[in-house]
Amino acid sequence: LAKTTQPISMDSYEGQEVNITCSHNNIATNDYITWYQQFPSQGPRFIIQGYKTKVTNEVASLFIPADRKSSTLSLPRVSLSDTAVYYCLVGDIETGANNLFFGTGTRLTVIP
Amino acid sequence: EAQVTQNPRYLITVTGKKLTVTCSQNMNHEYMSWYRQDPGLGLRQIYYSMNVEVTDKGDVPEGYKVSRKEKRNFPLILESPSPNQTSLYFCASSLGGSFYPGDEQYFGPGTRLTVT
Repeated sequence: LAKTTQPISMDSYEGQEVNITCSHNNIATNDYITWYQQFPSQGPRFIIQGYKTKVTNEVASLFIPADRKSSTLSLPRVSLSDTAVYYCLVGDIETGANNLFFGTGTRLTVIP
Repeated sequence: EAQVTQNPRYLITVTGKKLTVTCSQNMNHEYMSWYRQDPGLGLRQIYYSMNVEVTDKGDVPEGYKVSRKEKRNFPLILESPSPNQTSLYFCASSLGGSFYPGDEQYFGPGTRLTVT
């Protein structure tokens, strides 16, 4: 049973806006949605976190609809250094909100 | 510097030889967790700990043990490693799980384990 679902890969040209969507149908009431970025042979790094509606920080925006069953990470004007795997992280309502599951990850390739 | 450290970073061992991968954090975090990462499967949680002496199974706990005797340390123990435990392992810590706004997980640099 998949906890979250993301596209396996995406390509984008430099300077474009990239939107990556994650589905999480079993999200628990108290769970936050968190996105991480991972470069090869490194541990994941926190990008952004939100509960509902929209959150923005200096590197990304996170859009969450009212039903919270999905979320969209938006990266404005990507550069080559944004090439990485992006993970969506939520708790699971079946096993408890403290048991955190990563998605399968989306491999973003930024093309010059 | 706030960080999560893991040791060893690389380990090659043989089937059945017990091993321990250490994890330590200096941020006074309550929550710690172990993940394994395999090609095509993403990151999967092995065990997690909400606090000292409190541990619970994640998604793939079979073949692993953990202990949390002190807040800062969370070792991963493989009593009898097998080749299917060859993987890249990450330890992570956070303030208190997913209940707190801005509660990000800090990941260690990873331990690449090969079991022959």
